Amino acid sequence: GAVVSQHPSRVICKSGTSVKIECRSLDFQATTMFWYRQFPKQSLMLMATSNEGSKATYEQGVEKDKFLINHASLTLSTLTVTSAHPEDSSFYICSARDGRSYSGNTIYFGEGSWLTVV
Amino acid sequence: AQSVTQLGSHVSVSEGALVLLRCNYSSSVPPYLFWYVQYPNQGLQLLLKYTTGATLVKGINGFEAEFKKSETSFHLTKPSAHMSDAAEYFCAVSSYTGGFKTIFGAGTRLFVKA
Repeated sequence: GAVVSQHPSRVICKSGTSVKIECRSLDFQATTMFWYRQFPKQSLMLMATSNEGSKATYEQGVEKDKFLINHASLTLSTLTVTSAHPEDSSFYICSARDGRSYSGNTIYFGEGSWLTVV
Repeated sequence: AQSVTQLGSHVSVSEGALVLLRCNYSSSVPPYLFWYVQYPNQGLQLLLKYTTGATLVKGINGFEAEFKKSETSFHLTKPSAHMSDAAEYFCAVSSYTGGFKTIFGAGTRLFVKA
């Protein structure tokens, strides 16, 4: 069945460096992908909507220059956390919409990526 | 705009007892409604979803939820709790007109006592 894969599942980076998280749809083409972050013991907060071939749409309060999103192909979206700081440490989850007519616009979530900035 | 309110950040039940997790939504357009479960340090698992059609939706692991438009509710139930049900549960809403963005509630932590 349709699966969304995130990589890496865990990453530790030094403060001030950038880190990239990949979100891939396997078995289907995802014209739309979404990025969320989740702080410990909190809910998922939508960061941005990523459409293939166009600029991402960021939610209010999300710094687009800090969280760079690229959706260069129908199966891959990337989130780059630039100049990471300890407060960026979080669980990042992507989801992808299966736009095929028979899928009912099903949304599939990735397994998430733990980012720790030290 | 769409939103979800989950009543009760923590719910505790005894093993074998009824599980009831409450969710109310706000949406100006026909909503798609979801329940997800998250175990510690893991991703999300879809329990069930409502899009159209039958308002009583059955999901995995014995869970079900009923869409009540008049009450703007989508409460999650399970007749008999199991220890393995202890987890965080999220109610969520999306819509076609909202671009299928999934908006999550704050979550309810379910504790199951032996």
